[in-house]
Amino acid sequence: EDQVTQSPEALRLQEGESSSLNCSYTVSGLRGLFWYRQDPGKGPEFLFTLYSAGEEKEKERLKATLTKKESFLHITAPKPEDSATYLCAVQGRNTDKLIFGTGTRLQVFP
Amino acid sequence: EAQVTQNPRYLITVTGKKLTVTCSQNMNHEYMSWYRQDPGLGLRQIYYSMNVEVTDKGDVPEGYKVSRKEKRNFPLILESPSPNQTSLYFCASSLNRDRRYTEAFFGQGTRLTVV
Repeated sequence: EDQVTQSPEALRLQEGESSSLNCSYTVSGLRGLFWYRQDPGKGPEFLFTLYSAGEEKEKERLKATLTKKESFLHITAPKPEDSATYLCAVQGRNTDKLIFGTGTRLQVFP
Repeated sequence: EAQVTQNPRYLITVTGKKLTVTCSQNMNHEYMSWYRQDPGLGLRQIYYSMNVEVTDKGDVPEGYKVSRKEKRNFPLILESPSPNQTSLYFCASSLNRDRRYTEAFFGQGTRLTVV
């Protein structure tokens, strides 16, 4: 069964304190891994898609990386406006479904 | 502006009273999907549609129905709502290239309370 596990559940950072969020996945062949940002009461907002191990994508202070078993979302020198819940989702090769993790709630304090 | 529009945003209803939540997208996307989001459980897929007249069950389809008669619309129907369907619902759409999803656009959400 396809599965996605995100850690930690919650993360508190001081402004400027870099860190990483983890997304571990189990799928029978990965077709795509997705990162989203969700603010309270709003729909998820797309950040990145990664399709194969070794791939990396960057956007401002965020960088996503992918291995055969997990993905990391690295946050460099975060700011308070980076506070949100970050969601990871995967599509396996044998399915048309998207499976989401439960997310990491990030809080960045000034 | 590219967007997914859900209505209503908030809904309080009584057990057993049929309701429909509408979802419309203006991006000509093939793929549309409905999710529910509950604390501690994350986003769970209810139903999805690969194209017009093609729908399939997600992980939690019980108690829900969908239809895809036009490419832009994908309504979610609760024939007889129950309190355990109280949740935050999201509709999403994306392109589907060779069965690989691209960026998904989500609606603003519908907060449903069934009493």
